[in-house]
This record gives sequence, C-alpha cells and structure tokens, in this order.
Amino acid sequence: EAQVTQNPRYLITVTGKKLTVTCSQNMNHEYMSWYRQDPGLGLRQIYYSMNVEVTDKGDVPEGYKVSRKEKRNFPLILESPSPNQTSLYFCASRRTGTPPSNEKLFFGSGTQLSVL
Amino acid sequence: AQKVTQAQTEISVVEKEDVTLDCVYETRDTTYYLFWYKQPPSGELVFLIRRNSFDEQNEISGRYSWNFQKSTSSFNFTITASQVVDSAVYFCALRGSSASKIIFGSGTRLSIRP
Repeated sequence: EAQVTQNPRYLITVTGKKLTVTCSQNMNHEYMSWYRQDPGLGLRQIYYSMNVEVTDKGDVPEGYKVSRKEKRNFPLILESPSPNQTSLYFCASRRTGTPPSNEKLFFGSGTQLSVL
Repeated sequence: AQKVTQAQTEISVVEKEDVTLDCVYETRDTTYYLFWYKQPPSGELVFLIRRNSFDEQNEISGRYSWNFQKSTSSFNFTITASQVVDSAVYFCALRGSSASKIIFGSGTRLSIRP
C-alpha cells in the first residue's frame, strides 16, 4: 500500500530535550516536506526536499533541522525543543516528474507533539 | 506573495442542508494550481480535488462541487445535502509556478448536526 509513515503518533517531551520525528514514504517520491498545523493558522511549511541531499527552508524553519540521506526518509529534528513548537506535524511527499496538473500530495497521519 | 484566505473559521449546519466553503487566493503567477483537502476528526489529510488555472470548468463529484472563478480569485466548495460524515476541517491550498511550495489557508471547521 502506498503510504507516508510518520512516527511517533504522539510525543510529549520537555524543553531542551532533542527529539526526532521520522517520516518514510514507499512511493519513490522525489519531493518531501514537513508542515506544522496550528489552530487558526492552517498548515505552514517548515522544510522541504526536492531530492536526496537537497533541502531548503519553508516558511517557519526556525528551531528545526532536516536531512535527506535516502530518498524514502525525511526526518524532522528538534535540537532543543521549546513550548512554542507544540503543534501537530505532518510529513508529505509527491512525485516531481509528474506534470503539475497531475500533482497530488500524500500526507502522513500526523505527529502531535507537546513540549512542556 | 501568495496567499490563501478562508474567511469562515467555523460553519455549523443541520444535516441535509447545502453548505458552501469559501476560498479566496492571491498569486502573481499566471499558471497555478488550487486544491482542497479534508481533515476528518481522525486527523489525516485527504485530497479532494486539484484545479489548474487554465481550466475554469466547474467540477462535480457526487454531492461535492467546486466553483473556480479567476475573475474573483475564488475557488469555492459546495456540499449538497450535507451529511454528518462531512464534518471535518477543510483546507484550501495554492501552488504557484514554484514546485517547492504549497500555501494552505487557515481552514474551515464544518460541523453537520443530525
């Protein structure tokens, strides 16, 4: 089954304790992206990757890191989490070779992060 | 700059009523793509539709229909004869000529009362 898998689904941590949220897709997609969802703000892009070893900042990259060493994986790293990073996080992927008129983002199930 | 505005934060209607969710977008790109996603209470994001800027034909899929009007920069979504299962947060989104970014609106929470 084609899917984007995020782990963990829920995570409670404390300020300053480094954490990683994993994201993996099995569709051989070139493009992957991380979003955070906050009430009243919709989804905002954190980082994206157009392919292996190619990453760039989205709209709200501060406090986050990503890496893309393999095509299927795109982990989100919070080196020193703070309470304002409490949010619902989504990973997404899509194929880039497809004409834009056929594009479709596939989303993971989300990770609810609480930083105390 | 690109922007998507969903002015309706929350809508509540009684089952079987028709309901329209508004979406207004801003972009300077001549080619762009508009999307609607549904987020049911379970939390996942479900793709509903994509519309290309060069195709203003409206689309109907069962009880769902979409009205794309470039003249007013709007891409509104109508649910006919709403059902409780339509209760969700709905997001409108815009992708311009850049392949890297999709901008989402703030979402509209739709509640359908039995």
